Amino acid sequence: AQKITQTQPGMFVQEKEAVTLDCTYDTSDPSYGLFWYKQPSSGEMIFLIYQGSYDQQNATEGRYSLNFQKARKSANLVISASQLGDSAMYFCAMREGPHNQGGKLIFGQGTELSVKP
Amino acid sequence: GAVVSQHPSWVICKSGTSVKIECRSLDFQATTMFWYRQFPKQSLMLMATSNEGSKATYEQGVEKDKFLINHASLTLSTLTVTSAHPEDSSFYICSASYWTSGQETQYFGPGTRLLVL
Repeated sequence: AQKITQTQPGMFVQEKEAVTLDCTYDTSDPSYGLFWYKQPSSGEMIFLIYQGSYDQQNATEGRYSLNFQKARKSANLVISASQLGDSAMYFCAMREGPHNQGGKLIFGQGTELSVKP
Repeated sequence: GAVVSQHPSWVICKSGTSVKIECRSLDFQATTMFWYRQFPKQSLMLMATSNEGSKATYEQGVEKDKFLINHASLTLSTLTVTSAHPEDSSFYICSASYWTSGQETQYFGPGTRLLVL
């Protein structure tokens, strides 16, 4: 079974509008971390935002915010005021286990976001 | 901070030759680095976890004799694709564990595109 699911292969958004990229996850571990990365066409993976399973508040980082709904096991990325440079692949990832131990990431299938001028 | 470099960014080689890819953490020490492989329009697939001073841990299905990993220092891990064949052509990307305030984030290198003729 997929541990990380991104159901939107592609998304379009008008410049300056907000967009939500969906991510659901599956784990029985009470301790885990959720990450979002951006991958432009150049291929580099850019870290955007992190949410820990015990964090009380939703993470925010500039125009990025994470809508964390623990009971629904979802960790959607919200990008406000979209810019043309936001066009890229976006990957949701999960790391299981205690936050102070680190470990490998499990990635979703990705969502390709296109921002229209 | 948390910059990871990768070299080379592009490599074209003949079938049967070996190719070495370097991954360096430039402004921090990384006891753990990870090697991923990515096919076009697909997600990242973890190949192995590289720990400084010890043997790498390979994911199921990854040939350890084919993909040699060495993590000789706290800032350098290398992946050697031995006797490369056309099916080894892919995008290889590394990440390094960066710790701050008891929290680990993986920062990625820019990736290496390998084409085996």
